[in-house]
Amino acid sequence: NAGVTQTPKFRVLKTGQSMTLLCAQDMNHEYMYWYRQDPGMGLRLIHYSVGEGTTAKGEVPDGYNVSRLKKQNFLLGLESAAPSQTSVYFCASSRTRDRYQPQHFGDGTRLSIL
Amino acid sequence: QQQVKQSPQSLIVQKGGISIINCAYENTAFDYFPWYQQFPGKGPALLIAIRPDVSEKKEGRFTISFNKSAKQFSLHIMDSQPGDSATYFCAASFTNAGNMLTFGGGTRLMVKP
Repeated sequence: NAGVTQTPKFRVLKTGQSMTLLCAQDMNHEYMYWYRQDPGMGLRLIHYSVGEGTTAKGEVPDGYNVSRLKKQNFLLGLESAAPSQTSVYFCASSRTRDRYQPQHFGDGTRLSIL
Repeated sequence: QQQVKQSPQSLIVQKGGISIINCAYENTAFDYFPWYQQFPGKGPALLIAIRPDVSEKKEGRFTISFNKSAKQFSLHIMDSQPGDSATYFCAASFTNAGNMLTFGGGTRLMVKP
């Protein structure tokens, strides 16, 4: 029972490079989220999806794009990486529209932009 | 600006002591207040949550106290254990399109043996 799996776990990029972070969940959850975690700032929502084929902006969407072509996958893209995007990225999913259901998190991707 | 302010940023407690983490919010529309626990190298996981129709919720050694008029809520960990050493995040939400949570800045708790 894998839950939420994020790949890769670590990555170092140079400024201007692009990359895609992959999130996969095997719980048949409808909702999926991408957060970034920075010291002292908690978790901030980048983008989210309420179902296959739909995405929406969160609190800090600039510089990121997302896609949800399959229900189980949620991709986060950085088109032109900047040092300010150095962070730990977490993907999460939740089961239904019931907002009292917990969000289930992956173990994160640590991304450094040089 | 953070809509949910959490304090302290770090906390050291002796084994068997009480750990207290506080959160304050501004948005009166918030009506659900979960706490998440995160161990090093792992993602956060739901620990306990409260709705504002009650002033306190207890699950084992963990208790949430809620003060609606003061717009504050807190997590109390009784008989703190070294295994409780982790980062704790308070969060808040209201009815919205994506069930979005607004998180506090986090508290790193260390329980000394």
